[in-house]
Amino acid sequence: AQSVTQLGSHVSVSEGALVLLRCNYSSSVPPYLFWYVQYPNQGLQLLLKYTTGATLVKGINGFEAEFKKSETSFHLTKPSAHMSDAAEYFCAVSEGETSGSRLTFGEGTQLTVNP
Amino acid sequence: NAGVMQNPRHLVRRRGQEARLRCSPMKGHSHVYWYRQLPEEGLKFMVYLQKENIIDESGMPKERFSAEFPKEGPSILRIQQVVRGDSAAYFCASSMTGTGTGYTFGSGTRLTVV
Repeated sequence: AQSVTQLGSHVSVSEGALVLLRCNYSSSVPPYLFWYVQYPNQGLQLLLKYTTGATLVKGINGFEAEFKKSETSFHLTKPSAHMSDAAEYFCAVSEGETSGSRLTFGEGTQLTVNP
Repeated sequence: NAGVMQNPRHLVRRRGQEARLRCSPMKGHSHVYWYRQLPEEGLKFMVYLQKENIIDESGMPKERFSAEFPKEGPSILRIQQVVRGDSAAYFCASSMTGTGTGYTFGSGTRLTVV
């Protein structure tokens, strides 16, 4: 079984400030971890993913996330927020190379960027 | 390269009608997943299909919902006798391997039941 917890359903930052969106997971097998972004009335766009190898993963739009096995975390960061980053962000986990593995999503974090 | 194509983008149905949602996976992808996003919630897994086979339907409601992925044509998610609680965004994702990576999502179908 797998699950994802995103701490904070709403996060508000000022433009230019650090963005930190928290994600903790549980998985019975080595996980694959994902961050997706969703703009209003649109689908999900993959920001970045961790499968194996380097634990610091860089994604699109200046985002990065670090896989910390000891903390079962995969927090998303961006050094300097931009107005266009305002959206909803979802963390997700899958059971790696397990055949037929589905994605399990967190409840999402709505990011607001203030001018 | 076309991505995952879902249609219609928006669908309005009256209570008691049927809703049919279509998903054409990316070229070369034979694994299809359906997810539902209720208002203010995350995405919840519904069903996983390969061509002509339902592999995992553990997330599907027991009644009124069905899914198929025929040998030819798109995957179909069918909701019979819709109720207001079925109003949601339904997303389809496809992958080449079905092993937990490489998912590509469609833009979703937003179903409104009036």
